[in-house]
Amino acid sequence: QVTLRESGPALVKPTQTLTLTCTFSGFSLSTSGMCVSWIRQPPGKALEWLALIDWDDDKYYSTSLKTRLTISKDTSKNQVVLTMTNMDPVDTATYYCARILYGSGNRGFDYWGQGTLVTVSS
Amino acid sequence: DIQMTQSPSSVSASVGDRVTITCRASQGISSWLAWYQQKPGKAPKLLIYAASSLQSGVPSRFSGSGSGTDFTLTISSLQPEDFATYYCQQANSFPLITFGQGTRLEIK
Repeated sequence: QVTLRESGPALVKPTQTLTLTCTFSGFSLSTSGMCVSWIRQPPGKALEWLALIDWDDDKYYSTSLKTRLTISKDTSKNQVVLTMTNMDPVDTATYYCARILYGSGNRGFDYWGQGTLVTVSS
Repeated sequence: DIQMTQSPSSVSASVGDRVTITCRASQGISSWLAWYQQKPGKAPKLLIYAASSLQSGVPSRFSGSGSGTDFTLTISSLQPEDFATYYCQQANSFPLITFGQGTRLEIK
């Protein structure tokens, strides 16, 4: 079955760089149409899409955050990594990775990780 | 960027009620709209994709409709487990994706 799991630090200091890893199983990110995204949710607030990487290693970023984000994949390890530079307390949120298929007619995130809470504080 | 606006931001209802939540896009998105349910401390769950298609395993009391800029999620007869927050998500500008701000469904 399909699973995704986020991992990374629970606490980062302001100005530091955050690195999160999404480890998945049950599908291959080299399969045509397969994509993995990062989405975050500040406490008590709405979901915010951050970045997406597709089967062809194309990368896409939120317009408002693209200067701070980098997404990459290691297909052999079934991992997707997100880095976010210059962290600020407003970046405190639960960070999710999720799968989405392109070309299937279902452009919804059908599988999600459980999320990892990242707190930005000195 | 395409903006998604949900209404209402919160709604109170009773078990057995019919509830409708609306999502409006700032520009036409064809039928590229999904709906999610999120319970506290949990990841969102996909309910509806392509505006009206029910995701596998989702109860048939959930339905979606709309195209262009205006969409609705309807729960035909509320069950206790349906009290949660609901989000819409557009994918017309895929892979640039946006979510609505959420609608909290509370017990009256």
